[in-house]
Amino acid sequence: EDKVVQSPLSLVVHEGDTVTLNCSYEVTNFRSLLWYKQEKKAPTFLFMLTSSGIEKKSGRLSSILDKKELFSILNITATQTGDSAIYLCAVEGLTGTASKLTFGTGTRLQVTL
Amino acid sequence: NAGVMQNPRHLVRRRGQEARLRCSPMKGHSHVYWYRQLPEEGLKFMVYLQKENIIDESGMPKERFSAEFPKEGPSILRIQQVVRGDSAAYFCASSPSKWREYTGELFFGEGSRLTVL
Repeated sequence: EDKVVQSPLSLVVHEGDTVTLNCSYEVTNFRSLLWYKQEKKAPTFLFMLTSSGIEKKSGRLSSILDKKELFSILNITATQTGDSAIYLCAVEGLTGTASKLTFGTGTRLQVTL
Repeated sequence: NAGVMQNPRHLVRRRGQEARLRCSPMKGHSHVYWYRQLPEEGLKFMVYLQKENIIDESGMPKERFSAEFPKEGPSILRIQQVVRGDSAAYFCASSPSKWREYTGELFFGEGSRLTVL
């Protein structure tokens, strides 16, 4: 069974801090790893990673994948209160001809003033 | 261009009743995924459907739960004889026919929150 483990489970930081969120996985027929941000409602897409060692960047957020060690990190620099959310990591595995996303439990980030 | 529409947003049922959750995918999307999120947990895959076909239902409980995506109309997740443990947020996501060849983004609805009394 595919498995995604995220750490830490929750994190409280001060505005301006830099945070690193971790995601390790076990998946059959890995195809991609995705990061989502979930505030009060639906998760919103952040990144999709398929290749090791290539950093994806969007503003203050960046992410990288290590397919050998089976993990990914999500970095947020100069955090703001608007970054407070649950960050979900998901891996896409291929079962037969169908793809399936398996999510971790998420890291709950709280950014305080 | 409406996003993924789920209804009802909130549903309250007593134990033993039936719950029906509906999901209309984004226009042009023919693939629908249902996920369940229990309090303090991540999203758990339930079922993946294309029009008139169940592709992968490995995450669906064997009893009481069923899903369909008819040729016309929304996808429906049906839970019969609900129990308190079914209380959760149920998210639907949709994708175009070959989502991996695009951004990889899965478009989520706002979720349906089921409360079983």
